[in-house]
Amino acid sequence: EPEVTQTPSHQVTQMGQEVILRCVPISNHLYFYWYRQILGQKVEFLVSFYNNEISEKSEIFDDQFSVERPDGSNFTLKIRSTKLEDSAMYFCASSESGAAGTEAFFGQGTRLTVV
Amino acid sequence: DAKTTQPPSMDCAEGRAANLPCNHSTISGNEYVYWYRQIHSQGPQYIIHGLKNNETNEMASLIITEDRKSSTLILPHATLRDTAVYYCIVRVVNTDKLIFGTGTRLQVFP
Repeated sequence: EPEVTQTPSHQVTQMGQEVILRCVPISNHLYFYWYRQILGQKVEFLVSFYNNEISEKSEIFDDQFSVERPDGSNFTLKIRSTKLEDSAMYFCASSESGAAGTEAFFGQGTRLTVV
Repeated sequence: DAKTTQPPSMDCAEGRAANLPCNHSTISGNEYVYWYRQIHSQGPQYIIHGLKNNETNEMASLIITEDRKSSTLILPHATLRDTAVYYCIVRVVNTDKLIFGTGTRLQVFP
């Protein structure tokens, strides 16, 4: 069964460093998403991406964050200068389309720890 | 904010049906109801979704009331592996995002 793959599973970084989280969406999917979940809190939407541009983003997704689809298979989330409060699980998701009745499938997540 | 209300926790005996309720009284006519679950801190797992009609797949059944103001997710024969947080989500029209609430923590016991 096709699945969304995320690497690494755990990333530890020093405050102020840049990190790139990587995702391989399901191959025929066209819409890509990043969500995050701070420990003990809700899953929060960060950004959606379609046709090589951001289609929607949340207030959390400020100038420190960027997304990119550098080739035909990868989808990345970059945090330029990490803060302690960026420590969270980051989930990538993908869907065939953005239509209302389409399901999104999530990866297993990257646990980011900022020290 | 999430447009749904769910009980914070429920218990279910292994082998019995788990019926998880969800209220979404402000749902609009073209908004879908989605169910996901999250086991420990793993990625949310898609279960099922529906608009008006009841739906069934290999994992679960979704029963939506006629007025669409509430729904019930049914796991017909719960197993210990079904212990998870279950999220009922109304996908708002004209948006890509899923807005997660706090969900229902289902504990399946032997």
